[in-house]
Amino acid sequence: NAGVTQTPKFQVLKTGQSMTLQCAQDMNHNSMYWYRQDPGMGLRLIYYSASEGTTDKGEVPNGYNVSRLNKREFSLRLESAAPSQTSVYFCASSDGGLAGVETQYFGPGTRLLVL
Amino acid sequence: AQSVTQPDIHITVSEGASLELRCNYSYGATPYLFWYVQSPGQGLQLLLKYFSGDTLVQGIKGFEAEFKRSQSSFNLRKPSVHWSDAAEYFCAVVGDDKIIFGKGTRLHILP
Repeated sequence: NAGVTQTPKFQVLKTGQSMTLQCAQDMNHNSMYWYRQDPGMGLRLIYYSASEGTTDKGEVPNGYNVSRLNKREFSLRLESAAPSQTSVYFCASSDGGLAGVETQYFGPGTRLLVL
Repeated sequence: AQSVTQPDIHITVSEGASLELRCNYSYGATPYLFWYVQSPGQGLQLLLKYFSGDTLVQGIKGFEAEFKRSQSSFNLRKPSVHWSDAAEYFCAVVGDDKIIFGKGTRLHILP
């Protein structure tokens, strides 16, 4: 039982390049989330998916797209990376919806540097 | 809309000393409240959560938190910290279909 896994662990991009961050969970959770963490800002929700086939915007969705490929996988895509997207990205999953009280389980994070 | 404030960016305590990390929230109804911990280079892990009932909540690793409605607070406590408790701690509130995290308090432990 690996929990929530994220790939890659580290990535350096040039401005304008695109990339996809991958996330997978093996806990059979319905809900999955993408956050970014910046110094002094805490975690901010980018997008979430309450169930397979649905996605919704969070607090900071601009510049990102997501795909809930199946129940296990939830990917985050940067179409044209900008230096402001330099951050640590966390994927999480839970057994309930966004407003639910179920615990969120977090992956180890992806550190992204955009030059 | 709900919000959560962690007034202390950094806290330093000596190993074996007691700890209290502050969290204040703003929400019209009874919120769902959480404390998460993040060790260096890791994702977040749930320490404890409050939904209703007993206002003193016990969590993992010897932590507890007390919900005080009159003060809109959900402070995290531990009677005796260990060097392994050095980490960043996040308070979070759920309400109105949103989860909002505080900006975190980084805990430093002196030997």
